[in-house]
Order: sequence, then structure tokens, then C-alpha cells
Amino acid sequence: QKEVEQDPGPLSVPEGAIVSLNCTYSNSAFQYFMWYRQYSRKGPELLMYTYSSGNKEDGRFTAQVDKSSKYISLFIRDSQPSDSATYLCAMSEDFNKFYFGSGTKLNVKP
Amino acid sequence: DAGITQSPRYKITETGRQVTLMCHQTWSHSYMFWYRQDLGHGLRLIYYSAAADITDKGEVPDGYVVSRSKTENFPLTLESATRSQTSVYFCASSRDGNYGYTFGSGTRLTVV
Repeated sequence: QKEVEQDPGPLSVPEGAIVSLNCTYSNSAFQYFMWYRQYSRKGPELLMYTYSSGNKEDGRFTAQVDKSSKYISLFIRDSQPSDSATYLCAMSEDFNKFYFGSGTKLNVKP
Repeated sequence: DAGITQSPRYKITETGRQVTLMCHQTWSHSYMFWYRQDLGHGLRLIYYSAAADITDKGEVPDGYVVSRSKTENFPLTLESATRSQTSVYFCASSRDGNYGYTFGSGTRLTVV
């Protein structure tokens, strides 16, 4: 069983839609959580970094962590075609060894 | 230029050859990491380093060697390349545990 599970998609939505991206995990000791965006043939870029449970908001992006369910989410409001990319979740017990999901490919149609 | 740079961007090598991938960062970040990215597996940690002369294994270290004699450099060496090491390799750095990682642009390695 993988440490982190993520639906590969692709997820296709119209411009302006609210997007929900999710990951589940098996290790209850995970307490650091990250979301990355990766454009084709580029390195991942950090979107959100959260510690423990709760919500964090940054502009159009909201990250949620539910440790009791071992489930994390990234919401994108007012999605734009420029948001079309692969989104990777990552999590860790400490900040040295992050386990990444395999990524969800998002396509936002104009 | 400031940031994290990887070289080469593309590399083709033959089975059995030794190859070294370079990673250089200009921020003096303490932590550096090497990941490989394969379809269906996402990013998997190969090795990481918490400071100069301190390195540790990640999920998939077999067949790889790292060193970190200077804070800014973290080379990854494939001692005897195999086809299963064909992948995209990403280097990343982090100031400390309160910040996320910054990734380089990657090295696309093909072993033939």
C-alpha cells in the first residue's frame, strides 16, 4: 500500500468552477502537509504548506487537513485556464522525508 | 543567478556507466533533497542532506551515491547506471522545517 494515495484524474472543469483535489494517507504520524503545482516539463512549485489539522487560505487556494480521516484537500476558487497543471500533495512526520502523491492532472477549459 | 539550478537538463547514458547529476543553490539553505519522478509513482525521495557532510537515505537509495562537501552543492551519482534509473530527477532545497521545498527544473536522464 502506498503511503499517499491521489486520484490521477484527469479532472476537467470549466473556467470559474471550484476545484476540489484530494489525497488520503495511511500514516497517522504525518503532521506536515504540502501542495505543489507542476506544469509540464517543469519542477514542482509550492502552493501551500500546513502543519497539523485545520484550514489555510491563500488567495484563491484553500488547504484543508482532516487528520482524523487521514484526508487532505486543496480547493481552488474561480479556476482559470492558467491553473491547468498537475497538482501534487506531499506529507511527512518530520520535514526531512516527504511522501508525495502521484499527482492529479487538472484541465480548466476556457 | 539566484535560485536552485540543476545540470545537465538532459542526459543520455549507457547501461553500466557512471553519471553525476549536479545541483547548486544560492540561498545557503541547510536542507537539500534528491527526488526521482516516474509515471505512476510520483516523486520518490532518493537522498537528503540536513547540512554539509550530513546525508541520509530516502525511500529509494539503492544504486545512488551523494555527497555534500559544500552547503550549496549536492551532486547525485549513479555508480553503474541501469535502465530502471531512467527518470526525471529533481533536486530541492529548504531553509528549515518551517518552510516548504523549492525545486529545480529537473534533469531528464535516459539510460540505454
